[in-house]
Amino acid sequence: LAKTTQPISMDSYEGQEVNITCSHNNIATNDYITWYQQFPSQGPRFIIQGYKTKVTNEVASLFIPADRKSSTLSLPRVSLSDTAVYYCLVGGAGGFKTIFGAGTRLFVKA
Amino acid sequence: NAGVTQTPKFRVLKTGQSMTLLCAQDMNHEYMYWYRQDPGMGLRLIHYSVGEGTTAKGEVPDGYNVSRLKKQNFLLGLESAAPSQTSVYFCASSYRVGSRNTIYFGEGSWLTVV
Repeated sequence: LAKTTQPISMDSYEGQEVNITCSHNNIATNDYITWYQQFPSQGPRFIIQGYKTKVTNEVASLFIPADRKSSTLSLPRVSLSDTAVYYCLVGGAGGFKTIFGAGTRLFVKA
Repeated sequence: NAGVTQTPKFRVLKTGQSMTLLCAQDMNHEYMYWYRQDPGMGLRLIHYSVGEGTTAKGEVPDGYNVSRLKKQNFLLGLESAAPSQTSVYFCASSYRVGSRNTIYFGEGSWLTVV
């Protein structure tokens, strides 16, 4: 079961790029890395998923170095509506047990 | 496009009462989960299921029971509610392609035990 470590909180301003890094030193060979976003009073929602190098979609980019022991979620030009908690998950987490960490609280200021 | 639907959305229980939270998904997913989230905290896995007729314990299973009699439904039961079970409960479902797992969540059920 790959344990993940993320910063507890981050602050940013509108229009800036935000990078949130997740450490997962004991990631398994077959594990994927997935990021979720959770707004207050809502369930988490899938943002992006990757295995290695770089993945980009309409919402974010995910950078994964060659050793895969960490990953960075990049949110370009954040807005106030990006204020949320961001969770990094690795693999299917011990088979089918899917354990979320505490996540990173991103607060975007005007 | 319902996705994952939870009922009820809000409930107030008295200590010692029992209740069942119902989760339904229309995506034909094999895997389903129940999480709880306390204020300002992360999600904690209560129970999960890898297929119809199967259930397994998560991180915090005590005080809860689950059943998965049909593939699309996953029920969470509280036999004797306690104030410590006041929380927001999220149901989720997922599909896996190899080791790639993508989880879809419901909107949550707010439970208060007084």
